[in-house]
Amino acid sequence: GNSVTQMEGPVTLSEEAFLTINCTYTATGYPSLFWYVQYPGEGLQLLLKATKADDKGSNKGFEATYRKETTSFHLEKGSVQVSDSAVYFCALNDQAGTALIFGKGTTLSVSS
Amino acid sequence: EPEVTQTPSHQVTQMGQEVILRCVPISNHLYFYWYRQILGQKVEFLVSFYNNEISEKSEIFDDQFSVERPDGSNFTLKIRSTKLEDSAMYFCARANQGATIYGYTFGSGTRLTVV
Repeated sequence: GNSVTQMEGPVTLSEEAFLTINCTYTATGYPSLFWYVQYPGEGLQLLLKATKADDKGSNKGFEATYRKETTSFHLEKGSVQVSDSAVYFCALNDQAGTALIFGKGTTLSVSS
Repeated sequence: EPEVTQTPSHQVTQMGQEVILRCVPISNHLYFYWYRQILGQKVEFLVSFYNNEISEKSEIFDDQFSVERPDGSNFTLKIRSTKLEDSAMYFCARANQGATIYGYTFGSGTRLTVV
């Protein structure tokens, strides 16, 4: 079945450090891939997405590239801020209307 | 797009009691979902609802759970007899047919505490 594997957290960084959160997936066909973010006390917000191989999703300085050959969708940001502290979830969906499959989430903590 | 509104934001209930969690997702969307997140754990799919009926459900969604869209705009999740392990954050989500491209819109969640 479909699944998403994320790197274990927590990830602790200083402000302006480079961020990578690894995400790999297992799926039949050609899924769409997403990163969702959950800020403390809030719900899930779509951060970025990619729908086909080699697509790059980007938003708020975050980027992720859909790599079919390595079945990966790693999240990166060149310079993190304290306000980026949150839990980040990688997710996939392989068919319109069906459930999103989430990874376990990675907690990011950025200190000034 | 308008947000998904969930009520209540936090509910405390006695074990064995029935609870109803509500979601207002806007009526012109096709797909509706409930997910839950037990504290510190992954977000888990419960059920999807399409064209006023359940289209998919997980093994978590047993006979204690039910969903309804009673009036065309509200979308409810009922737990008939709550257990301690039902304590979690419950998220409602909606999507259009383009969900694989545009993603899903989630509500801010209802924190259910069963005591």
